[in-house]
Amino acid sequence: DAKTTQPPSMDCAEGRAANLPCNHSTISGNEYVYWYRQIHSQGPQYIIHGLKNNETNEMASLIITEDRKSSTLILPHATLRDTAVYYCIVSAHNNAGNMLTFGGGTRLMVKP
Amino acid sequence: SQTIHQWPATLVQPVGSPLSLECTVEGTSNPNLYWYRQAAGRGLQLLFYSVGIGQISSEVPQNLSASRPQDRQFILSSKKLLLSDSGFYLCACQGSGNTIYFGEGSWLTVV
Repeated sequence: DAKTTQPPSMDCAEGRAANLPCNHSTISGNEYVYWYRQIHSQGPQYIIHGLKNNETNEMASLIITEDRKSSTLILPHATLRDTAVYYCIVSAHNNAGNMLTFGGGTRLMVKP
Repeated sequence: SQTIHQWPATLVQPVGSPLSLECTVEGTSNPNLYWYRQAAGRGLQLLFYSVGIGQISSEVPQNLSASRPQDRQFILSSKKLLLSDSGFYLCACQGSGNTIYFGEGSWLTVV
């Protein structure tokens, strides 16, 4: 799987949009971009994923650049409960399943 | 939607004792199942994955083993625990879609 690069930490004011960047310059054509988050002492929570097009669901939006070498996860109105470590992962789907390789992630701190 | 049950949630075991962590999945059939470990302050590391009953693949050499006796049951074991086996163990499941979902995890402290 291609590696990703994320800033180790970010702050965001409550109620504002949180924009979390991710670089994946060596991504392959068949690899998806996945985002998970992990609140302390809990299992990772799936947020969103995409291949080429931008995606939006009830939790977040995912913006993928046209060359697919980077992406941004957007939490439109961050709340204190969004404080967590956010992981950007690229992974291909194959017969052995979806092999997720976690990096260090970005520790997002939402402040009042 | 699929549900992942993992137990025990926490345990403290002495060095040299055996280990058994169990994971069961509901709401899907023939899932791909995974065991991850997260050491304190570190990222998640894939330990084992299974694409079917009795089929286990190991990603890293270690003191642990995994078994899949039933379609929706995945067990992580050790005959003799080491201090370095301490960590947060997560079972994950990939059902009919490609997305992987995680259980709530098991905290293991080896003393």
